Amino acid sequence: DAGVIQSPRHEVTEMGQEVTLRCKPISGHDYLFWYRQTMMRGLELLIYFNNNVPIDDSGMPEDRFSAKMPNASFSTLKIQPSEPRDSAVYFCASSSGGGTYEQYFGPGTRLTVT
Amino acid sequence: QQQVKQSPQSLIVQKGGISIINCAYENTAFDYFPWYQQFPGKGPALLIAIRPDVSEKKEGRFTISFNKSAKQFSLHIMDSQPGDSATYFCAASNHDYKLSFGAGTTVTVRA
Repeated sequence: DAGVIQSPRHEVTEMGQEVTLRCKPISGHDYLFWYRQTMMRGLELLIYFNNNVPIDDSGMPEDRFSAKMPNASFSTLKIQPSEPRDSAVYFCASSSGGGTYEQYFGPGTRLTVT
Repeated sequence: QQQVKQSPQSLIVQKGGISIINCAYENTAFDYFPWYQQFPGKGPALLIAIRPDVSEKKEGRFTISFNKSAKQFSLHIMDSQPGDSATYFCAASNHDYKLSFGAGTTVTVRA
């Protein structure tokens, strides 16, 4: 299996632009998670899905952030408009569920907003 | 508010030595305690995990010790090797698949 796939790996954009991060979970996994990692705040869970349905989005920082999972093999995290404080590494992770809590992380997308 | 407190922030150990990282939690509903290892430029990867019904779990050179009454758990890396140099995160979950991560410990193993 290829593992969790994220794209792009690096994104540099200007403040005010829309940014879309993409994730393909491991096939057969029912849970998908979006995390943000910064030096100041560490690893933060932003939102997670179960069977394509958002379960908990309490970690989404503000309305500029939105996430979708239109099918079992694809999810997006969108930031519109982006701000310099959104600069971070964004990780997607997936889990098979069924009482197995192990999460498999993707390689991350390093976002820089100038 | 961080639900899992991790210490130290960083540590340096000689090759062959023991690395010890400690974590503490408050939420008694937590029932799954994993440790993740992260190398620079990579995503975290599960290293070892424990449930509160056991006090210790060992996998190779990595051991988790768990103290339910004290609400603490720790990772011991025995015979530390340069390839173990990474950032280690403890985490906890209360069976809702949400992981609360500690702040991380950067381990440097000197040859």
